[in-house]
Amino acid sequence: GAGVSQSPRYKVAKRGQDVALRCDPISGHVSLFWYQQALGQGPEFLTYFQNEAQLDKSGLPSDRFFAERPEGSVSTLKIQRTQQEDSAVYLCASSLPGQGGTGANVLTFGAGSRLTVL
Amino acid sequence: RKEVEQDPGPFNVPEGATVAFNCTYSNSASQSFFWYRQDCRKEPKLLMSVYSSGNEDGRFTAQLNRASQYISLLIRDSKLSDSATYLCVVTNSNSGYALNFGKGTSLLVTP
Repeated sequence: GAGVSQSPRYKVAKRGQDVALRCDPISGHVSLFWYQQALGQGPEFLTYFQNEAQLDKSGLPSDRFFAERPEGSVSTLKIQRTQQEDSAVYLCASSLPGQGGTGANVLTFGAGSRLTVL
Repeated sequence: RKEVEQDPGPFNVPEGATVAFNCTYSNSASQSFFWYRQDCRKEPKLLMSVYSSGNEDGRFTAQLNRASQYISLLIRDSKLSDSATYLCVVTNSNSGYALNFGKGTSLLVTP
């Protein structure tokens, strides 16, 4: 498709449930990022993939969060044993790697998956 | 302290007004700077990159002051459609690729 596609758009989970959020990046985009945006806040970095390699997961808030991109295209963010503080919009973004910094950080975001944990 | 700080506003201005937002960043090693725009319940979208020499795109002008570590965005002749949250964005000084976002400044342009 032309843009970054995320599903589901909305997810309501009971506390303790596991959830999986999917991201389909722009075709050919090597870099893929996950961000978490809580209400009234800016997006916070979670993790970064270059192709299938997860190069940075320093932003994942706990070991309940896990992300993968096994074939270097579609990515899944999994949250185990969800807690109320996990309620947020989870944004996926992709980009071309760029050269010399030009375009390297120009991200195209998906519409996000809004997770509500009750 | 967050790496990127912005005044959350809201800024309420009449149509046609000029409005300016500032943002400060904490790490002098940051290399790339951007303004993103986010409409209510939508994803952030790149508005413009910010270059050291300053740059302009139509009614929007961005400036970078490395010595003082602040970035500004000036919007001239505000339109109703400019109402949105403006996110100041700086590359993470450790990784060089991850972006650090400010909380955003809310702008409401009124008739």
